[in-house]
Amino acid sequence: QSALTQPPSVSGTPGQRVTISCSGSSSNIGQNFVNWYQQVPGEAPKLLIHTGGQRPSGVPGRFSASKSGTSASLAISGLQSEDEADYFCATWDDSQDGHVVFGGGTKLTVL
Amino acid sequence: QVQLQESGPGLAKPSQTLSLTCGISGDSVSSIAVVWNWIRQSPSRGLEWLGRTYYRSKWYYDYGLSVRSRITIDADTSKNQFSLQLKSVTPEDTATYYCARGSIAIYEAFDIWGQGTKVTVSA
Repeated sequence: QSALTQPPSVSGTPGQRVTISCSGSSSNIGQNFVNWYQQVPGEAPKLLIHTGGQRPSGVPGRFSASKSGTSASLAISGLQSEDEADYFCATWDDSQDGHVVFGGGTKLTVL
Repeated sequence: QVQLQESGPGLAKPSQTLSLTCGISGDSVSSIAVVWNWIRQSPSRGLEWLGRTYYRSKWYYDYGLSVRSRITIDADTSKNQFSLQLKSVTPEDTATYYCARGSIAIYEAFDIWGQGTKVTVSA
């Protein structure tokens, strides 16, 4: 059972906009930045969004993120076939001396 | 260009101690601008943060809840690497193990990952 809750899967057609939700609590999302990672099968996760909504160099502007209270979301606009991957949210949890928590991951399928 | 490379045995027997090393190139294990993390991934447990080490005039260590009683992370400045030791392993510890850098400039988000090393715990 992951500390952060994500839908197991989402899907969309090319050009569409999809969102992936990440639900947490006051001790994690409620107090800290949420980071998002993209993982293509067989590869290590890659940082997609950090510090609340900043994109590392090379990440397209189609990816954006937001947060409200104890929930966060990742939005992908202008969906492309190469966006098909697993997406994970992560943040710091201030409880029990502090630790990093991950979401269970969301598989994005581009139809 | 910063790169991380995990190394260690791909197979461990139940009750043994699992030892992995993360070699760092392009950065320093004793940099005060980063933290060094171990993360694992399995189909049953998903991504799981195991712990981290970092240097701020002295070495600090933080460990994840699920492994706190069994884990040791250490840094070796002479070899520019950090390591993971996980004691009393069970089949539940079968996973792909990643080392990852957390950068202070971006609130310790994991911006560099190793390729991962698959570890199987089996008799």
